[in-house]
Amino acid sequence: AQSVSQHNHHVILSEAASLELGCNYSYGGTVNLFWYVQYPGQHLQLLLKYFSGDPLVKGIKGFEAEFIKSKFSFNLRKPSVQWSDTAEYFCAVNANQAGTALIFGKGTTLSVSS
Amino acid sequence: EPEVTQTPSHQVTQMGQEVILRCVPISNHLYFYWYRQILGQKVEFLVSFYNNEISEKSEIFDDQFSVERPDGSNFTLKIRSTKLEDSAMYFCASSEAGRLPHNYGYTFGSGTRLTVV
Repeated sequence: AQSVSQHNHHVILSEAASLELGCNYSYGGTVNLFWYVQYPGQHLQLLLKYFSGDPLVKGIKGFEAEFIKSKFSFNLRKPSVQWSDTAEYFCAVNANQAGTALIFGKGTTLSVSS
Repeated sequence: EPEVTQTPSHQVTQMGQEVILRCVPISNHLYFYWYRQILGQKVEFLVSFYNNEISEKSEIFDDQFSVERPDGSNFTLKIRSTKLEDSAMYFCASSEAGRLPHNYGYTFGSGTRLTVV
């Protein structure tokens, strides 16, 4: 069965600090990988996704993630965070087949102080 | 940009009552999903729906849950007899079908916060 692990439950940073959130998944086949963000009181928004090709993917708001197949990892990075990045971040994975469910990690709460 | 629309945004119901959560998926999407997020916990898959039938469901999706596409636009989740532990945010999502990678069009709605009292 697929599973997703996010190792950081709560990350606290100052503005301009660099961010890296860890995500590891467990699945034997070809997967699609996603990072979603949930701002307080809002719905899930897609930050970026990986299907195939260049393992370094760039998303919105300056976020990027790197797929390392050998490590089953898809870590999210941002070189300089802003106060507005305060949110919950979810890594998700699904099998590369039509209509399959997204399996989410438990999420990482990012708090950025100004 | 096309959106997945959910109504109501917040529903309070008494334990044992039936609730219906409504969703309007993106019009050209063919796969529909329900997820839930209990406060402080991760987002959990409930069910996926394609071609007017359930294509996949989780162990959470037991006999008290049902889904329906009553017309060409709505997609509903019914909870027959609500329990306190059903209190959660329920997200609807839809995605494209056809040639892969179909998940490019995986879009979530804003959610319905269900509070069972």
